[in-house]
This record gives sequence, structure tokens and C-alpha cells, in this order.
Amino acid sequence: AQTVTQSQPEMSVQEAETVTLSCTYDTSESDYYLFWYKQPPSRQMILVIRQEAYKQQNATENRFSVNFQKAAKSFSLKISDSQLGDAAMYFCAYRPQDWGGSEKLVFGKGMKLTVNP
Amino acid sequence: DGGITQSPKYLFRKEGQNVTLSCEQNLNHDAMYWYRQDPGQGLRLIYYSQIVNDFQKGDIAEGYSVSREKKESFPLTVTSAQKNPTAFYLCASSEDRSSYNEQFFGPGTRLTVL
Repeated sequence: AQTVTQSQPEMSVQEAETVTLSCTYDTSESDYYLFWYKQPPSRQMILVIRQEAYKQQNATENRFSVNFQKAAKSFSLKISDSQLGDAAMYFCAYRPQDWGGSEKLVFGKGMKLTVNP
Repeated sequence: DGGITQSPKYLFRKEGQNVTLSCEQNLNHDAMYWYRQDPGQGLRLIYYSQIVNDFQKGDIAEGYSVSREKKESFPLTVTSAQKNPTAFYLCASSEDRSSYNEQFFGPGTRLTVL
């Protein structure tokens, strides 16, 4: 069974600084997708960034970038120039590229990010 | 505006009662999902549906039921058989069953059993 682990339950960062959130996963599949979701206090889940496992290039979305290490099964999220609005729960998620079985997202337990002014 | 709506935002239930959580989307998405979120936990899949009149159990389907009579609607019933139903429930949808497609989430329903 696939599992996603976020080992740091909480982190804090100063406004304008950079922070890295870690995520590891376990799978025997070779093709899959990885996601980072943000859940602010409103509790609405918002997709931050996604990575296809077959792509070697790390995904980037404005201030958000990932460090995808397929062999190590590691998928960390870097937030640059942190803003107060980045404060939220962040969830790492995995989804197999599987058309015949379950298409579910497997989530980590989440990490609470605090941004200090 | 296109999106997913969930109602009610807060729901209180007495033990032994069934309750139904509403989820509606106007994104014309084929796939819809129900997740449960508990404190300190990630989201866990309850049920999902890829097309109308078809749905599949997720990891924690016991004590829950769903229907998909219309493309835009995927209501979740929490039955009295669910032993610990107090949780935050999130509905999501995606364009189709492709693993690449983003799942869009609704604002959630907080269910409390009194």
C-alpha cells in the first residue's frame, strides 16, 4: 500500500524568508503523480503544485518549487519570499497513474506552517 | 462562478440518526469524491464516483452511503452505523478519472454528533 509521510507536524518561518517542507512516500509504482495542497484557516483545500514522476525537471509555480528525488522517494516543497498568506496546513499527496484501479489521492498527515511578521 | 458547494457548513446530529451532506458542482466534472478529515490526520477517501449511477468504496466506506443520480450532485449519507462520525467532510471533483487532473475541493461540512 502506498503511504505518504510528513515527519514535521509544525514549522515556522519569518516573513520574506524561505522554508522547505519535507515529504516522503512509499510506492512500488514507477508512474505516479505528487501534489502539495494548502489548507488555510478557511479549510478550503487548494492545489499548490503538482509533479509527474516521469519528469525529471522539478515543478515550479511562482514562489513555490519542489525538489523531487524519485530514487529517494522524496518530494519537498520550497516556499520562497514567504508571505503571511502562506500560513496554512500543507498536505503532501500521492496518486498512482492507474486507469484500472483506485484513483484516490493518498494524503500525508499534514504540516502546520506559521509565518511570523 | 464555477465551483463546488457543500451544505450545510455545520451539522449536528443526535446518535442514531442518519444525516445527508450535500455536494454540488457546476464544473461539468465527471468524477466526484468524498473525504473525511480528522484532527492530526490527512484526508481519507470514503467514496468516489467516476460517472453518473456508478460509485466505488474508498478506504473507510463503512457506515456511509452515496448516490450519483445527476452529474452535478454527489450526496453523502452518514448512517447510524458509523461509529464515530464527528469529523470534517470534504467533497471534491475532477474533470475525469485521469490521475493528472487536479481535484477541486468544496469548503467542507463540519459534522458533530451530540
